Amino acid sequence: QQQVKQSPQSLIVQKGGISIINCAYENTAFDYFPWYQQFPGKGPALLIAIRPDVSEKKEGRFTISFNKSAKQFSLHIMDSQPGDSATYFCAASWANSKLTFGKGITLSVRP
Amino acid sequence: GAGVSQSPSNKVTEKGKDVELRCDPISGHTALYWYRQSLGQGLEFLIYFQGNSAPDKSGLPSDRFSAERTGGSVSTLTIQRTQQEDSAVYLCASSLTGQGASPLHFGNGTRLTVT
Repeated sequence: QQQVKQSPQSLIVQKGGISIINCAYENTAFDYFPWYQQFPGKGPALLIAIRPDVSEKKEGRFTISFNKSAKQFSLHIMDSQPGDSATYFCAASWANSKLTFGKGITLSVRP
Repeated sequence: GAGVSQSPSNKVTEKGKDVELRCDPISGHTALYWYRQSLGQGLEFLIYFQGNSAPDKSGLPSDRFSAERTGGSVSTLTIQRTQQEDSAVYLCASSLTGQGASPLHFGNGTRLTVT
């Protein structure tokens, strides 16, 4: 049973455009929702995270939008740059549980 | 500061051989995780150590896989009698507390190729 599902599987965006990656979860006990970014040859690194008590969190060009009723959250990358080309993983956890990761999506930003 | 260090960065081994992969977590981090990343398969959880508690081994794919964490610090993942399907990148991560919201800090992984 896949508890965290990402879509699309891959994404190509033109430089300056908006990249949108979606994530759906099943377990209503989840209360922490991070996004991790991974560049080739490197391990994933925390990009941004949100708790369900807020509907949106913004850090620079990166924004998480959270929809508790739909059990979905998404990552928006504004003014996408070629340097944003990477694999993005959504994840979820609750209390003392370990993170459950989605399968990841590959974002390519064309110059 | 120093991040999570993994060694070797690449390992090529023959089918049937045993391999050991090493992880040096960030000093002071109580939780340590091993993940496996295969092409198109995302991050597959393998095992989790938290302080002095018994490890969560629920993700180990077979009894050929084992891991230990000595002195609450360095960890070794051992794969016995390697198979071609074991070829993947093995990632280690540590976190300060192991609580759900404690960020994971990943190493750059060991790329294992079984020929």
